Amino acid sequence: QQPVQSPQAVILREGEDAVINCSSSKALYSVHWYRQKHGEAPVFLMILLKGGEQKGHEKISASFNEKKQQSSLYLTASQLSYSGTYFCGTPDNAGKSTFGDGTTLTVKP
Amino acid sequence: KAGVTQTPRYLIKTRGQQVTLSCSPISGHRSVSWYQQTPGQGLQFLFEYFSETQRNKGNFPGRFSGRQFSNSRSEMNVSTLELGDSALYLCASNALGGNTGELFFGEGSRLTVL
Repeated sequence: QQPVQSPQAVILREGEDAVINCSSSKALYSVHWYRQKHGEAPVFLMILLKGGEQKGHEKISASFNEKKQQSSLYLTASQLSYSGTYFCGTPDNAGKSTFGDGTTLTVKP
Repeated sequence: KAGVTQTPRYLIKTRGQQVTLSCSPISGHRSVSWYQQTPGQGLQFLFEYFSETQRNKGNFPGRFSGRQFSNSRSEMNVSTLELGDSALYLCASNALGGNTGELFFGEGSRLTVL
């Protein structure tokens, strides 16, 4: 069963913040986040392996709440280059990764 | 280090035909996963191969099949193509598989079925 992402789409101005949520009805072993720009391959952003873990990459960070079976991706002071579709992936214990439908982020000048 | 290579990048087929797509993973990676991406359905898992064995399978009909060779290169085949098979097919490689490693995606093969 695929995780549910929200919102489906968000439009921002440069410098604004955004939060993308990913929730699952099943227990999560880890959460991956990817960004895909139009016409390109999805690119790995970060992986969270443990409940309570938080990570950051430049001004993009994420948290993982194992008990709530959810993860959130935080984009701070967004830049034009952040535009794209963000996917969360939730591997099961056999390694099969299921992805959410994606959140399309548009950053405008 | 070279990334994941998929061929062909674009192809057009007609209903009823079959198609074979190829994926060369990053050198040293033993796990290859295949995904179908469509605007309405997002990224749908097809199957995963590890050391020439299919380890995981998604919910696709038997028309979708795959295999992996001893050099970790993988192919997927779709027989008796239907209009709904039009999609971007992505493959992703991973060093060991499992749930801890990042996936490296290729740029995909865009299939159009007429």
